[in-house]
Amino acid sequence: DAKTTQPPSMDCAEGRAANLPCNHSTISGNEYVYWYRQIHSQGPQYIIHGLKNNETNEMASLIITEDRKSSTLILPHATLRDTAVYYCIVRVGGGGSNYKLTFGKGTLLTVNP
Amino acid sequence: DAGVIQSPRHEVTEMGQEVTLRCKPISGHNSLFWYRQTMMRGLELLIYFNNNVPIDDSGMPEDRFSAKMPNASFSTLKIQPSEPRDSAVYFCASSLASGGAIETQYFGPGTRLLVL
Repeated sequence: DAKTTQPPSMDCAEGRAANLPCNHSTISGNEYVYWYRQIHSQGPQYIIHGLKNNETNEMASLIITEDRKSSTLILPHATLRDTAVYYCIVRVGGGGSNYKLTFGKGTLLTVNP
Repeated sequence: DAGVIQSPRHEVTEMGQEVTLRCKPISGHNSLFWYRQTMMRGLELLIYFNNNVPIDDSGMPEDRFSAKMPNASFSTLKIQPSEPRDSAVYFCASSLASGGAIETQYFGPGTRLLVL
């Protein structure tokens, strides 16, 4: 699976949009971008995933560049409860042998009042 | 849905004792994962089951660790004998794997293990 690079930490004001970047310059054509987050003392939580099109769900939006070498997770209106470590993961989609999620160090997002 | 259930949530034991961690996956899921998280090594996959069969145990640290999945609704991770370096948070996750489909792993709350 392709390696990802994320900033170690970011700050965001409550109510503002949080934009978390991820570089994955070695991504392959069949690899998806996944985002998980881990709130302190809890298990990781799935947020969103995408292949090449931008995606949006009730939690966040995922913007993937046209060359797919980077992406941005957007939390449109960050709240204090969004303070967590956010992991960007790249892996081949599908079941069978494509099950592994390789977690890096992620980005610690701190939402300030 | 109750989500992935793990027990106990906290475990404190002494070096040399046997430790058994338990996991109940989400009903209907056919894949189960055990992860370990430490400050030094982050989140690591220990073992992966599909349809109750261990598929990949390459992450299991050593022979002191063993995992079983006797049926689709229950799995155990056992450490015998335990050592202080086994102190970590152990997460169980489950997913529904079907060929060609994207699968999402759902994590339990974790078991915090401290070996003295």
